[in-house]
Amino acid sequence: GAGVSQSPSNKVTEKGKDVELRCDPISGHTALYWYRQRLGQGLEFLIYFQGNSAPDKSGLPSDRFSAERTGESVSTLTIQRTQQEDSAVYLCASSYSPAGRPGEQFFGPGTRLTVL
Amino acid sequence: DAKTTQPPSMDCAEGRAANLPCNHSTISGNEYVYWYRQIHSQGPQYIIHGLKNNETNEMASLIITEDRKSSTLILPHATLRDTAVYYCIVSDMNSGGYQKVTFGIGTKLQVIP
Repeated sequence: GAGVSQSPSNKVTEKGKDVELRCDPISGHTALYWYRQRLGQGLEFLIYFQGNSAPDKSGLPSDRFSAERTGESVSTLTIQRTQQEDSAVYLCASSYSPAGRPGEQFFGPGTRLTVL
Repeated sequence: DAKTTQPPSMDCAEGRAANLPCNHSTISGNEYVYWYRQIHSQGPQYIIHGLKNNETNEMASLIITEDRKSSTLILPHATLRDTAVYYCIVSDMNSGGYQKVTFGIGTKLQVIP
């Protein structure tokens, strides 16, 4: 079956513009995560969605960042008024967690964002 | 989440076993040990996880010490395609039923021909 897909694969934008990044999780996966990975760094947790529960937004670095998810399907990460420090690869992951134990995360290929 | 420490880099000869260590001395009783790897320019890929017992799958083996304060990921016969950054993380289920994890910088494994 299809894995996690993300679009666009690359995005170049000018400082101050808004961008939208899309994630299509694996069908049936109730959990969806967004991460940011700066060059040469580890993954930084941004936000988490689980079904219809309120998302965990504790990792969002500023109020310029927001994300939405429709039910258990597509998610969109929006960055407003982009800054050069927002340049990074944005990774999406989905998982299905059986009751009682964590589930492994399946990652998409990422969106490489470059802010000029 | 408990923090983990890993060596920043390791080399391994092709065909030999790669043993990647991870320290997680503050792990709590309900936290699992997970390993992922990230090949250049790709998203991370799940490898294996365990709680207390050693685990083996088609990709690797995971050896967890009895006190659970450290673990070792073993790639039994490393190939050039195993060159990647390997992340060791520990995670449990929070009240919402998911794992909020932090991926550190991992260990960059270079498999040498």
